[in-house]
Amino acid sequence: DVVMTQSPLSLPVTLGQPASISCRSSQSLVHSDGNTYLNWFQQRPGQSPRRLIYMVSYRDSGVPDRFSGSGSGTDFTLKISRVEAEDVGIYYCMQETHWPLTFGGGTKVEIK
Amino acid sequence: EVQLVESGGDLVQPGGSLRLFCTASGFTFSNFWMTWVRQSPGKGLEWVANIKPDGSEKFYVDSVKGRFTISRDNAKNSLYLQMSSLRAEDTAVYYCTKGTWCDHWGQGTLVTVSS
Repeated sequence: DVVMTQSPLSLPVTLGQPASISCRSSQSLVHSDGNTYLNWFQQRPGQSPRRLIYMVSYRDSGVPDRFSGSGSGTDFTLKISRVEAEDVGIYYCMQETHWPLTFGGGTKVEIK
Repeated sequence: EVQLVESGGDLVQPGGSLRLFCTASGFTFSNFWMTWVRQSPGKGLEWVANIKPDGSEKFYVDSVKGRFTISRDNAKNSLYLQMSSLRAEDTAVYYCTKGTWCDHWGQGTLVTVSS
């Protein structure tokens, strides 16, 4: 199975400052069709997860443009350009290039 | 608006069985793969099972193979997860999600396996 490793585990951030979360996979996420199926999810306290980013860098409808995804191969990053209070929660990466689908362990974003 | 509503979660004894339900609306259910994902208390997310739009193919995480069965009824816009031989480690909130890419999630239903 593909292991997804996120860092850091916890990320205290000052409001208005940027934040960056890393996700590394144990093998390349480039599919045979040429696409890279790496998604990012946000789970606010007490809520269900919500997808933010799909295929590395495409933002879902309604997701603020302060969220951006980048990366390739085995190294991926989720960036928040200016953290707002509503961004508090746990962020997960997930790969769907290889079966079984696997998630990272999560990164908890909190306000300093 | 896409809506996914899970139900069926309960307290069950080890070795017992339970059936989870997910009712979908706001999209053409029969056109999409559907996925169950679970989250153990205080833990991360784990993919459990997928089913093809016509139900002809199903995939499971190794830990539930032979014990869980995913199915669907496209006429009723419904997804199911039949769980048997339940273990303490199956305790989790079970989410119904749309697609293999999980672009929409339900609110989840809690399954507790305990004596």
